[in-house]
Amino acid sequence: ETGVTQTPRHLVMGMTNKKSLKCEQHLGHNAMYWYKQSAKKPLELMFVYSLEERVENNSVPSRFSPECPNSSHLFLHLHTLQPEDSALYLCASSQSQGSQGYTFGSGTRLTVV
Amino acid sequence: GENVEQHPSTLSVQEGDSAVIKCTYSDSASNYFPWYKQELGKRPQLIIDIRSNVGEKKDQRIAVTLNKTAKHFSLHITETQPEDSAVYFCAARRNSGNTPLVFGKGTRLSVIA
Repeated sequence: ETGVTQTPRHLVMGMTNKKSLKCEQHLGHNAMYWYKQSAKKPLELMFVYSLEERVENNSVPSRFSPECPNSSHLFLHLHTLQPEDSALYLCASSQSQGSQGYTFGSGTRLTVV
Repeated sequence: GENVEQHPSTLSVQEGDSAVIKCTYSDSASNYFPWYKQELGKRPQLIIDIRSNVGEKKDQRIAVTLNKTAKHFSLHITETQPEDSAVYFCAARRNSGNTPLVFGKGTRLSVIA
């Protein structure tokens, strides 16, 4: 286990459903990220949170809604998704002020039907 | 903002041969350059990184070189083995504030036994 845990590992949802992805890190990091990974656009940055504040929103559609209640937890709330939103959603964490790489979670494989 | 280009997109080598993956970046202020390996169905994992105050770093069979003047950096894998088969991502970022990593599009390396 890397210290970054994502649940669920797999999710199938209909276009009218509402679901949430969860990420938890036990590394004492103060920055967390959501990435979308698909065949067409690998590792696409979605959101950045630093010290629980959203510092970047990379032109993501409003059907994706992030939440960061504390420095250890990050959620991605999903509603009225489209089939093209099917992808692997990766969470990562880091020490924002240090020259360190990210630690990734194992991802949630999302399929929108 | 930063833009990272990665080449080639796919690479096949015979077991025992060397593999080289190249990346260029656009932001001259970038000073941290990690490389990630993602095996099939798994999360990206940091394998090596380099900071702008050095030109080369080695770790057993892998090495990374950095040319700040030309704004490019490369991953070198020697004596390749089948378990080196994976997708490799380069990335770059400034070491300031909350600037996120910007990733290349990845290189799928296949090591043929």
